This record gives sequence, structure tokens and C-alpha cells, in this order.
Amino acid sequence: DTEVTQTPKHLVMGMTNKKSLKCEQHMGHRAMYWYKQKAKKPPELMFVYSYEKLSINESVPSRFSPECPNSSLLNLHLHALQPEDSALYLCASSHPLLTYEQYFGPGTRLTVT
Amino acid sequence: GNSVTQMEGPVTLSEEAFLTINCTYTATGYPSLFWYVQYPGEGLQLLLKATKADDKGSNKGFEATYRKETTSFHLEKGSVQVSDSAVYFCALRTNYGQNFVFGPGTRLSVLP
Repeated sequence: DTEVTQTPKHLVMGMTNKKSLKCEQHMGHRAMYWYKQKAKKPPELMFVYSYEKLSINESVPSRFSPECPNSSLLNLHLHALQPEDSALYLCASSHPLLTYEQYFGPGTRLTVT
Repeated sequence: GNSVTQMEGPVTLSEEAFLTINCTYTATGYPSLFWYVQYPGEGLQLLLKATKADDKGSNKGFEATYRKETTSFHLEKGSVQVSDSAVYFCALRTNYGQNFVFGPGTRLSVLP
């Protein structure tokens, strides 16, 4: 099974709301990633967790707060977002050895109003 | 730094035409190379990969060969179908980092 699941599929939130995106994988991968993808652009890396510890934070604003409660789950907590944060948010996972491919979820389409 | 360059398109072909999407890279060390495909409204799917020089990755009729001498990983398919219409991303991952470097993506439209 090479599936990464993400919920919700779509999310509309106001600038004062707090919401969370969820990601789950059962492939035994110990590296998990959050990406942001704007239309007609490649994914931009936001965060990397390796063995449930945050290993990379690509200078993401603090209104995005990641959490990795266990080796299968990855959350992205959202608070006080701006309209320019509207995008497709992709989760991915991989074996932590450095040359292994990443497996992506279907994404959450986020719209900030 | 590490980077990936690919033709941005859009590329428009007729069904059964031959496809080539060029990809070249700059990297320190010995990267692994990947092609991902993204269909409208979906996430990225791994299409094929190659982990060392002269390796050929192949899947669903697509092929790409890791050419270290020309730092290239061009994607080819002998006969495209309408269902191949998507955005194709070339990517690399080095031995020195956990993150991928993606090219800008190439949008392919195949007309019946």
C-alpha cells in the first residue's frame, strides 16, 4: 500500500478562524513533509519531520504550525491566515534514507476568505 | 546550489505522437532523479525514478535515462494518449539533504 491520505479535501476559512489539516500514512515511513503549491507552480517545501522530530522549517510564518503526534500522522494547524495563503497543501512521506522517493497525498485545497 | 531546469510548455501534441520533455539538473554529490505527474485536481504521483548514472527508469510506456555526462534526465514516450494530459515535474534528491528539488513543471495537452 503506497497511499497517503489527507483530510479535508477542501477547506474554506476566514482570516480569524483556526483549522487543522491532517495527513496519514501506513507505509512505515519515518519522514513526512508539508508542501504548499500555488497554481501552475511546483510544490514548495514547508516542513520536514524525521522520526517525529521537526528537522526542516523553510522559514514558514508562525501562522502555520506543524505537529507530528506519531509516526503515521502529520497535522498542520492554521491560524490567522491571509488570502495569499490560499493554495493546495500537499503531504508526502518517504523512507528516511536520503535517496528514496516521496509519496504524495491528494492534497487539501485551502481557500482563505 | 541544487536546481532542476525543464521545458515549461505548454506542450500540445496529437494522440499517438512521440513525446520528449527535457530535464537537466545541477547538483552536488550523486543525486537520485525522479519524474512525477500531476493530473488536474490531484496530488503528485511518482512516474519513474533512477538512482545512479546510466539507470533507465520506466513505467506506463514512459522512459528516462540518467545521463551523468550531460546532467540530464529527459522523459520520453513513444505514443501519447489523451489520458496523458497532465503536468510533469522533474525532481532530484541528493545524498546531502532530505528535501526534493523540483523543476517548474511541464504542462502536456494531448488532443484526440
